[in-house]
Amino acid sequence: DQQVKQNSPSLSVQEGRISILNCDYTNSMFDYFLWYKKYPAEGPTFLISISSIKDKNEDGRFTVFLNKSAKHLSLHIVPSQPGDSAVYFCAAKNTGNQFYFGTGTSLTVIP
Amino acid sequence: ETGVTQTPRHLVMGMTNKKSLKCEQHLGHNAMYWYKQSAKKPLELMFVYNFKEQTENNSVPSRFSPECPNSSHLFLHLHTLQPEDSALYLCASSQALTNSPLHFGNGTRLTVT
Repeated sequence: DQQVKQNSPSLSVQEGRISILNCDYTNSMFDYFLWYKKYPAEGPTFLISISSIKDKNEDGRFTVFLNKSAKHLSLHIVPSQPGDSAVYFCAAKNTGNQFYFGTGTSLTVIP
Repeated sequence: ETGVTQTPRHLVMGMTNKKSLKCEQHLGHNAMYWYKQSAKKPLELMFVYNFKEQTENNSVPSRFSPECPNSSHLFLHLHTLQPEDSALYLCASSQALTNSPLHFGNGTRLTVT
């Protein structure tokens, strides 16, 4: 039973425009949410996170939004750059220190 | 440069072999994890060690055997694997009991022939 879902396997965006990646979860006990970026042949790299007590967290070009009532998480990248092309994973942690991941969205930023 | 180091990066083994994957973290964390990444599947949590004690194994087959001798080192011992066990195996660490992220190594690409 997949508790974290990313329904879009891929996304293409023009350079300079906004990229919006979406994620849904089912477990209301998750208390911490994260986004990771992964290049081929490398492990996932932590990007940005948000605690369940907040609804927005911003770090430079990256903003994560959390809608607890909808159990929905999104990552906004603006402006998008070609170097942002990678696979993005959302993840959620429960109080037992277990992290659950989505299947990933492959982002391509077109120059 | 990653604070979590995994060796080897690539491993090819037969179904009757015994091999071990090694992970070392230099971040001062107290929790370590093994994840499995197969094509088109989410990262699957295999094992969690909090303060060197195993707290989760998620019904992983016994042909995978973890070992955590201290909070900085983690091993995954492999024996009599099946071809469907071919995958990327990722080690991660975190600071347990806090809202802080997992830090991953670059993984071991395992091929079982």
